[in-house]
Formats: sequence, C-alpha cells, structure tokens
Amino acid sequence: EPEVTQTPSHQVTQMGQEVILHCVPISNHLYFYWYRQILGQKVEFLVSFYNNEISEKSEIFDDQFSVERPDGSNFTLKIRSTKLEDSAMYFCASSTALQENTEAFFGQGTRLTVV
Amino acid sequence: AQTVTQSQPEMSVQEAETVTLSCTYDTSESDYYLFWYKQPPSRQMILVIRQEAYKQQNATENRFSVNFQKAAKSFSLKISDSQLGDAAMYFCAYRSWANSKLTFGKGITLSVRP
Repeated sequence: EPEVTQTPSHQVTQMGQEVILHCVPISNHLYFYWYRQILGQKVEFLVSFYNNEISEKSEIFDDQFSVERPDGSNFTLKIRSTKLEDSAMYFCASSTALQENTEAFFGQGTRLTVV
Repeated sequence: AQTVTQSQPEMSVQEAETVTLSCTYDTSESDYYLFWYKQPPSRQMILVIRQEAYKQQNATENRFSVNFQKAAKSFSLKISDSQLGDAAMYFCAYRSWANSKLTFGKGITLSVRP
C-alpha cells in the first residue's frame, strides 16, 4: 500500500540552527501539507502546497518557515532559525484532490527537538 | 473560522464493550467533510472514518460508526466490540468542501481495559 514517508524520524538541533524535514508524498498525489503537534496538544495546520506554490498557510507559518518541492518526489519543510517552541512532531500529508477521494494520508512524523 | 471541540480528554472502555467519543464543531458552511483519526503510541495519524456532510446516512467502517447530527453540529464516533488495539488518541477533524486543510480537535485518549 502506498504511504507517505518522512525522514528523519527524530531530529535534534540547537536553537538558532536551520533544520530541513523531508517528506516523500504518495506518488500520484497533488496536494501536500505540513502539520505540527506540540507534545500533548492538538494537531495544527501549517501549510498546504499545490501546483508548486503555497495554497494556504496558517499564522504559525511565519517567515522562519518555508516549503519546497525540489524534485518530482520530495516535499521539504525548512525552519531557518529554530526556537525552543518549535519542538514538536511534524507531520507531512498528501491527498489526490479536493473533492474526490478526500482522505489525507499522513506520514509517521518527524519528532523535532530543539535544545 | 471553523472550530472543532472534543470536550472529553480521556475515556476508558472494557474490552468487547462499546464506547462513544464525542465531537462538536462550529461552521457556517453547508458542505464539508468530517473525519476521525486515530493516533496510536507510534504517533502516526491513521484515518478511521469519514463523513460527507451532504450525506444523511451515517458512515460505518466495520466496528466503527458515526452519529452525524448536522443540525446539532455533532459528530460522535462509536467503537463496538472494543479491542486492546483500539487504545490510542482519537482526533476529530473538519475539512471545508473547498479547502484542503484539516482543523483538528484537541483529541481524546481512549484506554481499553482487558
């Protein structure tokens, strides 16, 4: 069964450092997302990406964040200068379309720890 | 903006019994989708069941079913014949018809007693 793959599973970084989280969405999917979940809290939407551009972003997704689809398969989330409060589980998700087959498939997440 | 509320932080059920997890939401839209996601200790988000708002019939998936009350903006999940593997965090989520992002509730931790 096709799945969304995220690497690494756990990333530890020092405050102020840049970090890139990697995702390989399901191959025929067109919509890509990043969500985050701070420990013990709800899952929050960060950004959606379609047709090589951001289609929507939340207030959390400020100038420190960026997304990129550098090739036909990868979808990355970059945090330029990490803060302690960026420590969270980051989930990548993908879906085929808006109206049809509305399920978003999630990856297993990357646990980011900022120290 | 849409909001999703899960007011029960924790619930417990005896193995083989039935449990209902509550969810309410607030929206001004008439067309939308509702989902229940399961998050086991591995932290991966797994879709349990989904409901299209335009469908009057409640969705069912094996032991999982929903009670969708559109007028009351209520979307509860019923798990029948609970199994130990059902123990997890369960999130209710809303998606607008025209927008692809999911809005999640705070989640509920379900424990299953053997």
